[in-house]
Amino acid sequence: QKEVEQDPGPLSVPEGAIVSLNCTYSNSAFQYFMWYRQYSRKGPELLMYTYSSGNKEDGRFTAQVDKSSKYISLFIRDSQPSDSATYLCATQGSPKLIFGTGTRLQVFP
Amino acid sequence: DTGVSQNPRHKITKRGQNVTFRCDPISEHNRLYWYRQTLGQGPEFLTYFQNEAQLEKSRLLSDRFSAERPKGSFSTLEIQRTEQGDSAMYLCASSERSLSENTGELFFGEGSRLTVL
Repeated sequence: QKEVEQDPGPLSVPEGAIVSLNCTYSNSAFQYFMWYRQYSRKGPELLMYTYSSGNKEDGRFTAQVDKSSKYISLFIRDSQPSDSATYLCATQGSPKLIFGTGTRLQVFP
Repeated sequence: DTGVSQNPRHKITKRGQNVTFRCDPISEHNRLYWYRQTLGQGPEFLTYFQNEAQLEKSRLLSDRFSAERPKGSFSTLEIQRTEQGDSAMYLCASSERSLSENTGELFFGEGSRLTVL
């Protein structure tokens, strides 16, 4: 079993839709959770970071962690074509990050 | 600050040849990571340096792979006797502090793509 599991998609939605991206993880000791965004032919860049359980909001993006079910979510409101990218969930297996497989998202006008 | 720089961006080689990739991290960052990413997969950890010390290596890093970071600045990743299964994007990342102190942020380069024919 992989430490972080993520549905690879692809996910195709119309502009303005609400997008839900999800991951599960196996180790209950994980405390830090991140979402990275990776555009085609680029390196990943940090989008959101959360510690332990709860929600964190940043503009159109909301990250949610449910430690009881080992479930990580990223919600994108009012999705834009510029949001088209691969979204990677990650957790900290000190001293490194452990990534999911990534979900490819396409937002069409 | 020009970010993390990786060279070459793309390398095509024949099976059995040796290749070397270079990573120049952000100048004040003392932590440097190498990851490998294949199509449709997330980045997989290969190795980690704190300054010049290589502190962790993944079991993915077979004895054909070697990484160095002399003087704690740039790093090189060498693959000897390349195999077709080595074809991937090799990503370098750096950070100034530990992940827990740094909100989990690694700064990635654009990667070096290896194609082994």
